[in-house]
Amino acid sequence: AQSVTQLDSQVPVFEEAPVELRCNYSSSVSVYLFWYVQYPNQGLQLLLKYLSGSTLVKGINGFEAEFNKSQTSFHLRKPSVHISDTAEYFCAVSSPDSWGKLQFGAGTQVVVTP
Amino acid sequence: DGGITQSPKYLFRKEGQNVTLSCEQNLNHDAMYWYRQDPGQGLRLIYYSQIVNDFQKGDIAEGYSVSREKKESFPLTVTSAQKNPTAFYLCASSRTGGGPSGGEQYFGPGTRLTVT
Repeated sequence: AQSVTQLDSQVPVFEEAPVELRCNYSSSVSVYLFWYVQYPNQGLQLLLKYLSGSTLVKGINGFEAEFNKSQTSFHLRKPSVHISDTAEYFCAVSSPDSWGKLQFGAGTQVVVTP
Repeated sequence: DGGITQSPKYLFRKEGQNVTLSCEQNLNHDAMYWYRQDPGQGLRLIYYSQIVNDFQKGDIAEGYSVSREKKESFPLTVTSAQKNPTAFYLCASSRTGGGPSGGEQYFGPGTRLTVT
């Protein structure tokens, strides 16, 4: 069984400041890792994914994440946020044998203020 | 434009009534999913379908039913047996169910269901 823990339920941040959203997972098998973003009253959009290979992955809108197998983490970062980055962010995990069944974290609400 | 449509955006029903939520995709994806979203709980999988005429229960299938008669359509019925149906419902699809592409899911805009 897999599980995902997002360590912060809400992260306030000032515009143009950096932000890091923390995600830890547990799994007994190899994993695929994803970050999704949800803007208010909308569906989710894939930000980035780790499938294999390089542990640093880059996604859309200037976001990047680093897979750390020893710490079972997949933290999301952006060096300089915009007001438009205000949204909820979800970390998710699946595995080669899970047939598309994603396990989502509870989400982190990012609020960017001027 | 390819994508997933869900209708209606807002739905109101009286307790004891069944209600069906629509989900259509024109991405030619094999796999489709239904999730329920409640505040502070992330997304929970209700049902998923890897191919036409086949579907499996997810983590919280009780009180829900689905069908997959066409590749592009995956309607969800919330029955009167669902004890707490008020929630935001999201439909998603992926190119296939297996392997890494299964996790690369495309989501619809969601339907907010309120049952009173």
